[in-house]
Amino acid sequence: GAVVSQHPSWVICKSGTSVKIECRSLDFQATTMFWYRQFPKQSLMLMATSNEGSKATYEQGVEKDKFLINHASLTLSTLTVTSAHPEDSSFYICGVGLALSTDTQYFGPGTRLTVL
Amino acid sequence: DAKTTQPPSMDCAEGRAANLPCNHSTISGNEYVYWYRQIHSQGPQYIIHGLKNNETNEMASLIITEDRKSSTLILPHATLRDTAVYYCIVRAPLEYGNKLVFGAGTILRVKS
Repeated sequence: GAVVSQHPSWVICKSGTSVKIECRSLDFQATTMFWYRQFPKQSLMLMATSNEGSKATYEQGVEKDKFLINHASLTLSTLTVTSAHPEDSSFYICGVGLALSTDTQYFGPGTRLTVL
Repeated sequence: DAKTTQPPSMDCAEGRAANLPCNHSTISGNEYVYWYRQIHSQGPQYIIHGLKNNETNEMASLIITEDRKSSTLILPHATLRDTAVYYCIVRAPLEYGNKLVFGAGTILRVKS
C-alpha cells in the first residue's frame, strides 16, 4: 500500500492565526488527495478533494476561503486553516487515492489541531 | 453510494475470531465492498475489499453473500491491537472522484 505522512502531528494555535498542515505521498505520485475532518466521537467527514495543478473541489458547507488547499506537486498537498477559531479544533486527515481499478485509498496519520 | 448498516459495537475475546457484519441491500452490480479501520487517534487503515468473491489477505477475510446484499469481515485471531472502529463502505471504483463516505462504523472491543 501507499505510505502517507502528515506534518505536524499536532498543533496548538491562538484564535485568529493561520495553521498549515502538510500531506505527503512518500512512495508514489498522487494526482488526487483528500482532506477529511473528524470531531470527537464522530466519523470522518470529507472536506475537499485536492487535485494536482488545479483548484480543489470543496464539499457542501465547507468554506473554501477558510480552508485553503494547495496541491502544487504530485507528492504534496497542504491545507491551511485561516483565521482559526476554537470550533476549528479537530482531527484533520488526508487520504491519497490510487486511481486503479480497485480504487483503494490510503490515509495519513492525522493532525490534531487545537485552537485556543 | 449504496447505504451500509453496521452494528454500533461488538466485543470479542482475544484469540478468537471477530466477525463484523455489514448490510448493503441496495448495492449495485459494479459496486465494491471496502473495509477500513481506525484505531484511536490515527488515520484509517485499509483492510480489504471485494466485488463478489470471497477475499483473504494477511489481515482479514471478506465473505460476501451470493446476492451481495451483505458481507462479513473476519479477523481470524483477534488481538488487543485490533480494537478499533471498523468501517464498511460500498462504492463503485473511480466514481465520485474516488471519494469515500464514512458511516458510523462498528466499534470492536477485543478483551483479554
